[in-house]
Amino acid sequence: DAGITQSPRHKVTETGTPVTLRCHQTENHRYMYWYRQDPGHGLRLIHYSYGVKDTDKGEVSDGYSVSRSKTEDFLLTLESATSSQTSVYFCAITGRQTNYGYTFGSGTRLTVV
Amino acid sequence: GNSVTQMEGPVTLSEEAFLTINCTYTATGYPSLFWYVQYPGEGLQLLLKATKADDKGSNKGFEATYRKETTSFHLEKGSVQVSDSAVYFCALSDAGAGSYQLTFGKGTKLSVIP
Repeated sequence: DAGITQSPRHKVTETGTPVTLRCHQTENHRYMYWYRQDPGHGLRLIHYSYGVKDTDKGEVSDGYSVSRSKTEDFLLTLESATSSQTSVYFCAITGRQTNYGYTFGSGTRLTVV
Repeated sequence: GNSVTQMEGPVTLSEEAFLTINCTYTATGYPSLFWYVQYPGEGLQLLLKATKADDKGSNKGFEATYRKETTSFHLEKGSVQVSDSAVYFCALSDAGAGSYQLTFGKGTKLSVIP
């Protein structure tokens, strides 16, 4: 779906380095979310945003930070990457325009070595 | 807090077999319920949803009924096809919490063999 894009699609990084993942939307949705997907765990919420500069923690927020300086972009930063953060990361958006139905990005596969 | 429990997989069925994937939930408010599907290498797509008790969601031959009395939202399809092979996630959204965040089950992998 062209309304939401994630970058990069794949990344390999070294333990201890900072990493930033980007989610970009063209739908003007209020709510944006970062989830991680791991085998046996389904999808777990990391952080979410309910407006520009308004963010809150999810279930598994330790080691992650987020920023939303404009409606279109929601950045997820791994402050010091660890092997336990190897995962597939999905961004999602929702808002009144879609009656709060979710649209997911295609995911970013992150490997921390 | 909110939680979703769905049957563990993997599930392997022959083409044209009947499919049921069980899902139960725990929620403090009055959630909306969803089934999402994930095909290999892709993101999640909404399959169907129900927003209140006794609602039936349906799409592409799949159905699920919101049962408040049993806190369940089981996914069914009368005749599966090879193209239905994917991972299926049950989820709930509690709008009363204000964040519209989804809580997911762990997913059930379905493989349909010819």
